[in-house]
Amino acid sequence: AQSVTQLGSHVSVSEGALVLLRCNYSSSVPPYLFWYVQYPNQGLQLLLKYTTGATLVKGINGFEAEFKKSETSFHLTKPSAHMSDAAEYFCAVSPYTGGFKTIFGAGTRLFVKA
Amino acid sequence: DAMVIQNPRYQVTQFGKPVTLSCSQTLNHNVMYWYQQKSSQAPKLLFHYYDKDFNNEADTPDNFQSRRPNTSFCFLDIRSPGLGDAAMYLCATSRGSDMNTEAFFGQGTRLTVV
Repeated sequence: AQSVTQLGSHVSVSEGALVLLRCNYSSSVPPYLFWYVQYPNQGLQLLLKYTTGATLVKGINGFEAEFKKSETSFHLTKPSAHMSDAAEYFCAVSPYTGGFKTIFGAGTRLFVKA
Repeated sequence: DAMVIQNPRYQVTQFGKPVTLSCSQTLNHNVMYWYQQKSSQAPKLLFHYYDKDFNNEADTPDNFQSRRPNTSFCFLDIRSPGLGDAAMYLCATSRGSDMNTEAFFGQGTRLTVV
């Protein structure tokens, strides 16, 4: 069985500060890992994904995430927060071996202070 | 150039009155999904279609049905909406031949039950 845990339902940073959103996963098979962003009353938009290969993944809007198998983590970072980054962020996992059931974490709402 | 389109964006229905939400896609993807997302929660998969094959999640209530008349369209039917069915409903698609592909989401339909 697979699961995703996002540490912190709310994270608040100042504009220009480092953004760190934490995600840990549980999977009995090699996972595919994703980060999605959701703005109010919108659908989810893919930020980045890890499938195989390079463990540091760069995404859109300056975000990146690092897959650490030993820590079963896939934390999302951005060096400098912008006001427009304020949104809900979801970490997700899907099974490498097939199937179409993407499991989402509970989400972390990012607040950016001026 | 929207790729997954959900109509309407906002739907108000009466308690117990059947309602249908629609989703269309221009991506020609094999797989279409319906998720339910309640306030401040992760999206919850209700069911998905792989081409014409329907796959229901074990915990999806019988009150929820789906139809996929062709590749481009998929409908969510709620036979007798209750107050607890008020939520954002998200449609998504993915390319079935590629296991590591991400899901593409529509903007969602926010359902209110009065």
